[in-house]
Amino acid sequence: AQSVAQPEDQVNVAEGNPLTVKCTYSVSGNPYLFWYVQYPNRGLQFLLKYITGDNLVKGSYGFEAEFNKSQTSFHLKKPSALVSDSALYFCAVRDIPGNTGKLIFGQGTTLQVKP
Amino acid sequence: SAVISQKPSRDICQRGTSLTIQCQVDSQVTMMFWYRQQPGQSLTLIATANQGSEATYESGFVIDKFPISRPNLTFSTLTVSNMSPEDSSIYLCSVASGGRAGNEQFFGPGTRLTVL
Repeated sequence: AQSVAQPEDQVNVAEGNPLTVKCTYSVSGNPYLFWYVQYPNRGLQFLLKYITGDNLVKGSYGFEAEFNKSQTSFHLKKPSALVSDSALYFCAVRDIPGNTGKLIFGQGTTLQVKP
Repeated sequence: SAVISQKPSRDICQRGTSLTIQCQVDSQVTMMFWYRQQPGQSLTLIATANQGSEATYESGFVIDKFPISRPNLTFSTLTVSNMSPEDSSIYLCSVASGGRAGNEQFFGPGTRLTVL
C-alpha cells in the first residue's frame, strides 16, 4: 500500500535561514508526490508536485522539493524562511495503481519560523 | 485551479443530530472527495463522489453515517448523521483538477464541526 511519512512533528527555524521539511514515501510503482500547506483556519493549498522529470521541483511561494528515488524521499525546502511561512505542511502521495485519485497524506509537520 | 466554497464554515451541534455540509465548485469536475481532519491530525478520506453513481466509501466509513449526494458536476453534500463528540472535526471537500493521475487536488476552506 502507498504511504508517506513525515518524521518531524515540528520544525523550528529562524527567519532568513534555509528550511527543510522531510517526507519519505513508500509506493509500489512510480510515485506521484505532492506538498500542501495549511494556514490556521484555512483549507489546504497546493504547493508543488513531482510526477516525472527533474528531481528538483519548484513551486509556489519560493518553495521547492527534491525527489530522491534511492532514498525514497521528497523533502520540501526553501532557501530563506519567512515568518509568514509558519503553517502546517503535508506531504501526500497519489494512490496508484488504480488511479482512484485518492491522496494519502502524511501526519503533517508544523513549521515555526521565528523572527 | 478550481475555486471551492463550503457551507457552513463552522457549526456547533448537539449529540444525536445531523448536519449537512455543502460543497460548490466553480467549474465542472468529475471526481469530488470528502476528507475529515480530526483535531491535531492528518487528513483521512471519507469517500469519493462521482456524479451519476454511488459514492465510494473508505474503510471505516459507512453510508448510513455519512450519506453523500452528488446531483451535478459542480455540487455535492456530505451529511454527518447521528453525531457524537467523536465527529468533531474539520470536513473538507476536494476536487481533482483533471482526469490524469498527476493532477493536483484542490481543497475547500473546510467546515469546522463541534459536537457537544
